[in-house]
Amino acid sequence: QVQLVQSGAEVKKPGASVKVSCKASGYSFTNYYVNWVRQAPGHGLEWMGWIIAYNGDTNYAEKFQGRVTMTTDTSTSTAYMELRTLKSDDTAVYYCVRERGNSWFDPWGQGTLVTVSS
Amino acid sequence: QSALTQPASVSGSPGQSITISCTGPSSDVDTYKYVSWYQQHPGKAPKLLIYDVTNRPSGVSNRFSGSKSGNTASLTISGLQGEDEADYYCCSFTDTTRVFGGGTKLTVL
Repeated sequence: QVQLVQSGAEVKKPGASVKVSCKASGYSFTNYYVNWVRQAPGHGLEWMGWIIAYNGDTNYAEKFQGRVTMTTDTSTSTAYMELRTLKSDDTAVYYCVRERGNSWFDPWGQGTLVTVSS
Repeated sequence: QSALTQPASVSGSPGQSITISCTGPSSDVDTYKYVSWYQQHPGKAPKLLIYDVTNRPSGVSNRFSGSKSGNTASLTISGLQGEDEADYYCCSFTDTTRVFGGGTKLTVL
C-alpha cells in the first residue's frame, strides 16, 4: 500500500539543525510532489513547502525561506527536510505528505517530533 | 495568522448533523476551487476526508460531505458518532502555495 515512513524523534539545542527523512513506498515516487507540514504542540497545521520529487524544484513558505532545504533521493524514494538555526518555537511534529492532483494531500507520514531545548 | 478562518470549536449530539465553515479572505471563487478537508485524532496524523471541495475518497464514510458558496467552503458531518470527535482542518491550494485553516475541534456531546 502507499505509505510514507519518517525518521524518529529528535532533540536539538537552539541554533542547531535537524534533518528529517521520509521514505515512500507503494507508488512511483518521481510522479508526485512531497510537501512538509508541521504542527506545534496544541496548535494547528502549518504548511512549510513542497518539492517536486523528480527534478528537485522547490517552493517554500515565506516564513521558512532561507532556513529550510527540501531534497529528494530518487534512488531510495526518500524525501528530506532540513531546518537550520533552530529555535524553541520550532518544537513541533513534522509531517511529510504526498500531494495529489495539485489539490490535496494523501497519504501522510506518521510524523516526527522535533524538540528544541537547551 | 491563517488565511482561512474556521470556528475554533463546534459540538453536537450523536445522530445530529454539524457543519464546519472555512472562509477565505478573497471573494474570488477560483482561488479556492481546490479545497480539501482533513480529520485528525489526538496523537495521530491527519487523514483526508474531502478533496476538490466535494469529492470523497474511497473508504471515507458518506456521512462526510463538502460544499462551497462564494469564498466559504463547508464540511458537513451527518449522523454524528462518538468516533467523529476530532480536530478538522480545511486546506486550500493556489498555484504555488498551500494554506490551512486554523482548525476546528468537534466535540460529540
